[in-house]
Amino acid sequence: EPEVTQTPSHQVTQMGQEVILRCVPISNHLYFYWYRQILGQKVEFLVSFYNNEISEKSEIFDDQFSVERPDGSNFTLKIRSTKLEDSAMYFCASSGLGYNEQFFGPGTRLTVL
Amino acid sequence: AQSVTQLDSQVPVFEEAPVELRCNYSSSVSVYLFWYVQYPNQGLQLLLKYLSGSTLVKGINGFEAEFNKSQTSFHLRKPSVHISDTAEYFCAVISNTNAGKSTFGDGTTLTVKP
Repeated sequence: EPEVTQTPSHQVTQMGQEVILRCVPISNHLYFYWYRQILGQKVEFLVSFYNNEISEKSEIFDDQFSVERPDGSNFTLKIRSTKLEDSAMYFCASSGLGYNEQFFGPGTRLTVL
Repeated sequence: AQSVTQLDSQVPVFEEAPVELRCNYSSSVSVYLFWYVQYPNQGLQLLLKYLSGSTLVKGINGFEAEFNKSQTSFHLRKPSVHISDTAEYFCAVISNTNAGKSTFGDGTTLTVKP
């Protein structure tokens, strides 16, 4: 069964450093998403991406964040200068036509020191 | 805008007892509804979903949920819980606008005691 994969599973970085979180969505999907879950809290929407551009972004997704689909398979989230409060689990998701169900990856735990 | 309210932040229950985790949603358009389970330090696992059709949906691990459009609810139930059901449960909605983003509730911590 096809699944969304994410790498790395855990990333530790120093405050102010850039990080890139990688996702491989399900191959025939068209819509891509990033979500964040701070420890002990709910899952929050960051951004959606379709047809090589951002469809919608939340207020969390400020200028420090960017997304890219550099080739036909990867979908990346970049944080330019990490802050302590960026420590969280980041989930990638993808969906097909009709976007009526999203398939979530296993997540990347980002720890900013 | 859409929103999700999980009415109980914590639900303690004894093993083999029935359980109901409550979820209400708000949306001005049609929605799709989901329940996810999250075990400690793990990702989201889909329990069940309502896309259309029968309002009673069955999922994995013996869980089921009923979509009630008039009450805008999607409560999760299990007739007899096990210790291994101890986890965090999230209700989520997707509306057929907003590029299909998921909106999650705050979560309910289910603790099953022996």
